[in-house]
Amino acid sequence: DAKTTQPNSMESNEEEPVHLPCNHSTISGTDYIHWYRQLPSQGPEYVIHGLTSNVNNRMASLAIAEDRKSSTLILHRATLRDAAVYYCILRDLMNRDDKIIFGKGTRLHILP
Amino acid sequence: ETGVTQSPTHLIKTRGQQVTLRCSSQSGHNTVSWYQQALGQGPQFIFQYYREEENGRGNFPPRFSGLQFPNYSSELNVNALELDDSALYLCASSLLTSGGQETQYFGPGTRLLVL
Repeated sequence: DAKTTQPNSMESNEEEPVHLPCNHSTISGTDYIHWYRQLPSQGPEYVIHGLTSNVNNRMASLAIAEDRKSSTLILHRATLRDAAVYYCILRDLMNRDDKIIFGKGTRLHILP
Repeated sequence: ETGVTQSPTHLIKTRGQQVTLRCSSQSGHNTVSWYQQALGQGPQFIFQYYREEENGRGNFPPRFSGLQFPNYSSELNVNALELDDSALYLCASSLLTSGGQETQYFGPGTRLLVL
């Protein structure tokens, strides 16, 4: 079973910021928080990951709660191309047998 | 573009047949993972291959089998196809080192329809 909880769907207006929440109350100390997204008719695409500190890259920002039991993926200025299913995943990267366990993710709709 | 390619892109088979799907991993990666994604669901882990050996398996029956070749490309074989095997099959490549696993990069998938 997925170890994260996400809303089934969200809507946002184009050119506005989007905050996608994820709860992971059973996170362990060695779990990294990963985000992938899946555009229509494509395979999942890596977005960002972090352990404890907030992270930024060209695609998004990841804000991690101090207790690490929740995190938020932030798209600073949504475009229509950001419409996708966003998956929040925990991965123990030190575990050589680690497998990605996907939940159903959040389907993000962008309104023009 | 992730550099991970899969073939074929689409495939139609009938129940009871066998199918082989192929995946070429990204340059420099030594690990390939396979996932099955049913319509409206998240991908489900089938198995992972590291340096030509199985390195973990999900909850799939033995009729799902795989291979990894010396160049790290991989095949997924499914025998005795069932209607429920209709899905998008995804492969992902990554680098596994003594320090642990790194990010997985996915291919575009093969869509299999079993009639």
